[in-house]
Amino acid sequence: RKEVEQDPGPFNVPEGATVAFNCTYSNSASQSFFWYRQDCRKEPKLLMSVYSSGNEDGRFTAQLNRASQYISLLIRDSKLSDSATYLCVVNRDSNYQLIWGAGTKLIIKP
Amino acid sequence: DTGVSQNPRHKITKRGQNVTFRCDPISEHNRLYWYRQTLGQGPEFLTYFQNEAQLEKSRLLSDRFSAERPKGSFSTLEIQRTEQGDSAMYLCASSLGTRKYEEQYFGPGTRLTVT
Repeated sequence: RKEVEQDPGPFNVPEGATVAFNCTYSNSASQSFFWYRQDCRKEPKLLMSVYSSGNEDGRFTAQLNRASQYISLLIRDSKLSDSATYLCVVNRDSNYQLIWGAGTKLIIKP
Repeated sequence: DTGVSQNPRHKITKRGQNVTFRCDPISEHNRLYWYRQTLGQGPEFLTYFQNEAQLEKSRLLSDRFSAERPKGSFSTLEIQRTEQGDSAMYLCASSLGTRKYEEQYFGPGTRLTVT
């Protein structure tokens, strides 16, 4: 089992719709979680950190479920510019290494 | 531009040659990370510096790979005797260094092609 697993997609979603995807992690000791987005052939860019209580940034909401060991990302009122690959990131144990999922590809259609 | 910068952006080399990449982190960031990314995969951790000290190295980092950060500012990643399997995007990231787990900010990457 991979340490961080994501549905690779692609998720094809009409503009304006709400889309959600999950990411599962295997290490129950993980304490730090992030979502990054990556456009084709570009570097990953931080979208948001994921806090225990859940957090929201505009149209984006991230949640953490420690009991089931997954994090989620919800995008409301999706825009064409949201088309990208969304990478889930989790720290490994107590060291500084971050483990990255392979990403979920999102395509917003007009 | 005050973000992370990397040079060169692209490098094509023949198998067996040595290559060196440079990363300039965000100026106030103490931590610097190197990753490798291949198509369809997330970044894979290679190594990490806290100031000039190299604190962690991945098992992925064979003895052909070496990284330095001599003055705690910019860093170089050298690959000796390149192999075709080394073809990938090499990403550098930096973070502030004030908390154990921090957001990392990435440079544009160096795309290496080994022919």
